[in-house]
Amino acid sequence: NAGVTQTPKFQVLKTGQSMTLQCAQDMNHEYMSWYRQDPGMGLRLIHYSVGAGITDQGEVPNGYNVSRSTTEDFPLRLLSAAPSQTSVYFCASRMTGSGGLYEQYFGPGTRLTVT
Amino acid sequence: GNSVTQMEGPVTLSEEAFLTINCTYTATGYPSLFWYVQYPGEGLQLLLKATKADDKGSNKGFEATYRKETTSFHLEKGSVQVSDSAVYFCALSPQTGGYQKVTFGTGTKLQVIP
Repeated sequence: NAGVTQTPKFQVLKTGQSMTLQCAQDMNHEYMSWYRQDPGMGLRLIHYSVGAGITDQGEVPNGYNVSRSTTEDFPLRLLSAAPSQTSVYFCASRMTGSGGLYEQYFGPGTRLTVT
Repeated sequence: GNSVTQMEGPVTLSEEAFLTINCTYTATGYPSLFWYVQYPGEGLQLLLKATKADDKGSNKGFEATYRKETTSFHLEKGSVQVSDSAVYFCALSPQTGGYQKVTFGTGTKLQVIP
């Protein structure tokens, strides 16, 4: 199993540009999510999905779009990049079930800089 | 809402020292509790977990006990190694209603010096 993969590993954008961060998992997990990690703020949830065709917003969704057309893939789109979106982005997946018993599996991250 | 509070870092220890990283939480009911570790340049990976009160999670010499009465899940290790240098995150997953939304602490950076 490759687990959770993310591309690219690094990206530099100019303000106003758009791009898509790719995320894929091969564990047949229904639940996938995107986080951003900023110094001193831990991880903040951007968007999540509980299955193909179902997505919902997390804590900090503004400026980002997601879609889930397959179980495996969960891309994150930045519509018009802003310097405030400079961050490290992590994709994660997990099994679904009651009681929050299952741990999340994280990708290696994408380090994004917006100038 | 739910919250997780971790001790501020960075924590600097000499090799073979005893480690404690404090974690307290606020949540209703009985959430599941996790410790994740992030090595430099990598994503987070699960270190240990506990899913009910008084459970002890353990892995790689690390331990944490789910204390409902003090709403705590402190991470401990008896003798740290240089290879334990990383950022450690405490996290909770609610028992019911929105179980998908895991709440993370801000992370505690540990540096172990030889």
